[in-house]
Amino acid sequence: QVQLVQSGAEVKKPGASAKVSCKASGYTFSSYDINWVRQATGQGLEWMGWMDTNTGNTGYAQKFQGRVTMTRDTSISTAYMELSSLRSEDTAVYYCTKNPPHEGFTGEWGQGTLLTVSS
Amino acid sequence: QAVLTQPSSLSASPGASASLTCTLRSGINVGTYTIYWYQQKPGSPPQYLLRYKSDSDKQQGSGVPSRFSGSKGASANAGILLISGLQSEDEADYYCMIWHNSAWVFGGGTKLTVL
Repeated sequence: QVQLVQSGAEVKKPGASAKVSCKASGYTFSSYDINWVRQATGQGLEWMGWMDTNTGNTGYAQKFQGRVTMTRDTSISTAYMELSSLRSEDTAVYYCTKNPPHEGFTGEWGQGTLLTVSS
Repeated sequence: QAVLTQPSSLSASPGASASLTCTLRSGINVGTYTIYWYQQKPGSPPQYLLRYKSDSDKQQGSGVPSRFSGSKGASANAGILLISGLQSEDEADYYCMIWHNSAWVFGGGTKLTVL
């Protein structure tokens, strides 16, 4: 079955970077986009950006431009989201989700990765 | 003003119907957008429910019961998620989403209580 399995929880200091992985299985990885969405505790959903896993093309939310980088390794069907210059407000659960190119998130989601930014 | 506005909470009784609204900011015409709806329960990722643009352009998520349906209220410039025959398991947070200005935008979410 289709699965997106994310890396485990991380604790980072302010100013550091964090890289979250999202390993896909059960489908052809390069046929679907991967989007990243985050959710602070008790808050709503916030879209961060998308990646065309076939071409590597990306699009980022304006809020994260310059701080986020989305990449992939097609040989191991894994997508990555790296967020730099971390601050306490980046403490959240980060989700990856797959979707057909240029469509909404109609597919599976990863289980989420808790990133805690604390000194 | 936010692009998408959802009431923060809604309560309804088991067996009743609940209408969850997602109001688009003034100047953004709901008729031109596909609205996606998601359900999220505590400790779990969101789950796709359905998308709705028009009666001829809509999609139900895989395995999503037909008692979840989408529509639009043109006069209110809003997308609507209707849940009929409410069950206790429908108690959750519900989010709407659209593609606007080259970005996916979520509403703030509605916490639905079934009591």
